[in-house]
Amino acid sequence: EVQLLETGGGLVQPGGSRGLSCEGSGFTFSGFWMSWVRQTPGKTLEWIGDINSDGSAINYAPSIKDRFTIFRDNDKSTLYLQMSNVRSEDTATYFCMRSFLYWGQGTTLTVSS
Amino acid sequence: DVQMIQSPSSLSASLGDIVTMTCQASQGTSINLNWFQQKPGKAPKLLIYGASNLEDGVPSRFSGSRYGTDFTLTISSLEDEDMATYFCLQHSYLPYTFGGGTKLEIK
Repeated sequence: EVQLLETGGGLVQPGGSRGLSCEGSGFTFSGFWMSWVRQTPGKTLEWIGDINSDGSAINYAPSIKDRFTIFRDNDKSTLYLQMSNVRSEDTATYFCMRSFLYWGQGTTLTVSS
Repeated sequence: DVQMIQSPSSLSASLGDIVTMTCQASQGTSINLNWFQQKPGKAPKLLIYGASNLEDGVPSRFSGSRYGTDFTLTISSLEDEDMATYFCLQHSYLPYTFGGGTKLEIK
């Protein structure tokens, strides 16, 4: 069974940094593109970016480019999202996703002082 | 960016009704589109991919269609369990973009 488990959410001050992780299991993690999607408290969904199977190609949404970094460790079957200089509008539930079909349960980031 | 304009934003219908919702792409000649269903506290669930292909295990009362840059999700006979919010997603042009959602309520 394919499973994705995000961790790392919590409360962060504006301007701070935070790293999220997504551990995959039940499939060959190194064989798939992986994506991050977030959902705001108002329920708007936003695609953040994706990364190819070996990490050599990464795409970002313009809204987070230069602040967020997506990378992966295939030996650990884990996808990462490193966020810096966070803003209040980054407050959201962050999901990792594979092939649009498999989603984690999400981890919530709150940016507030 | 390709904007996905989803309508209506909310919808109330009775059990057994035919329900339709649409997404219109602001641009693009070859949009690849998926439809998702999301229930409170859960991740989105893929219903339709490639505009009209039913994902395995999704009830056949769900269907998708396309006319140019207009996409429609239809539920042929509404059931209780269909109460949810529905989103479209285009994944042809970067950045991929979601519609704003249609919240479906049962009368």
